[in-house]
Amino acid sequence: AQSVTQLDSQVPVFEEAPVELRCNYSSSVSVYLFWYVQYPNQGLQLLLKYLSGSTLVKGINGFEAEFNKSQTSFHLRKPSVHISDTAEYFCAVTISGGSYIPTFGRGTSLIVHP
Amino acid sequence: DTGVSQNPRHKITKRGQNVTFRCDPISEHNRLYWYRQTLGQGPEFLTYFQNEAQLEKSRLLSDRFSAERPKGSFSTLEIQRTEQGDSAMYLCATPFGSANTGELFFGEGSRLTVL
Repeated sequence: AQSVTQLDSQVPVFEEAPVELRCNYSSSVSVYLFWYVQYPNQGLQLLLKYLSGSTLVKGINGFEAEFNKSQTSFHLRKPSVHISDTAEYFCAVTISGGSYIPTFGRGTSLIVHP
Repeated sequence: DTGVSQNPRHKITKRGQNVTFRCDPISEHNRLYWYRQTLGQGPEFLTYFQNEAQLEKSRLLSDRFSAERPKGSFSTLEIQRTEQGDSAMYLCATPFGSANTGELFFGEGSRLTVL
């Protein structure tokens, strides 16, 4: 079975600074990878996804992530954060050709300070 | 068109009572998922439907939980004899688009508080 590890439970950062949220997965087969964002009192919404092709994927709100198969990682980055990026971020994985039931990480709380 | 409506948004109940949550996808999808999210955790899979058929259930889904999807459209999740440990956000989701990749569109959730 697949699993996801988000190494940081909380990441504080100042506004306009760069940020990286880390995600590692474990799977012996091909995977699809996702990042979701959850703003306070709202549902999860998709930020970006990796299905195939280019390992660098761009998402909404200036976020991007890079799929690294050898390191089984899918870290999320943004070059300059805004106060409005304060939210919970969840990494998720499904098995390509499997049952397509996403497994989520525990989440990383991004806190952007002015 | 995508979108998932969940009701009620909030439910406060006393321990031992039964509760039911409803999920209405705006457009029909063959799949529908239920997840549970507790404070400080990511969503945990509970169960999913392929049309009317409930194909997989997590070990988290004890005998007190039952889910249905009559006619393959809306779905209900019932919890009988609620316990304080059932307090959580219950999330419903459908696939985004026609391809099954695991990309999901989530509703805003139904928050359960058991006193």
